[in-house]
Amino acid sequence: QLQLQESGPGLVKPPETLSLTCTVSGGSIRRTSYYWGWIRQPPGKGLEWIGNIYYSGTTYYNPSLKSRVTISLDMSKNQFSLKLSSVTATDTAVYYCARMLPGSYYFDSWGPGTLVTVSS
Amino acid sequence: QSALTQPASVSGSPGQSITISCTGTSSDVGSFNLVSWHQQHPGKAPKVIIYEVSKRPSGVSDRFSGSKSGNTASLTISGLQAEDEADYYCWSYAGRSTVVFGGGTKVTVL
Repeated sequence: QLQLQESGPGLVKPPETLSLTCTVSGGSIRRTSYYWGWIRQPPGKGLEWIGNIYYSGTTYYNPSLKSRVTISLDMSKNQFSLKLSSVTATDTAVYYCARMLPGSYYFDSWGPGTLVTVSS
Repeated sequence: QSALTQPASVSGSPGQSITISCTGTSSDVGSFNLVSWHQQHPGKAPKVIIYEVSKRPSGVSDRFSGSKSGNTASLTISGLQAEDEADYYCWSYAGRSTVVFGGGTKVTVL
């Protein structure tokens, strides 16, 4: 059974770069044609799609965040990562990693989420 | 890329049916039959309950159903149960491998 787990610092100072990693177990990100994505949810608010990376390495980003976001794959570790630069308090959120099915465009497997607080 | 519009809250009594709307544009909901609905309980990750407008993943109750007309998609929960109290999010494919979410609807079982 596929499992995803987010990891990274829980506190980031503005205007530093937020860095998170998603470790995938129960399946290889190398061998399957899925999208791997990041979604966030500010406390008490709704979900926001950040971006996806295809198993080939092609990336797709939310236009509102595109200038600050980088998503990458590490096939050797079966992980993918998120970097969000120049963070402010508005980037405080629970960050989820998830797997998306191509063609259907919905996330079928999610990590439990990790809270990242941006504060000096 | 604007968020899809959902009502902030919907409520109903046990056994009743409720419907949540999700309004987008001709660039997202109206152009693709790729609307999904996620259920989220407090402190938990979202879980997909409807995909491709009206399909249910294995294990999801048939009390949940989805439909679409023009730029508006809908989720109907029939035979409302206490366990259905949660937040519900719609989202849609928006072209060029991007997706857009709705703002979420809090469902309260009275």
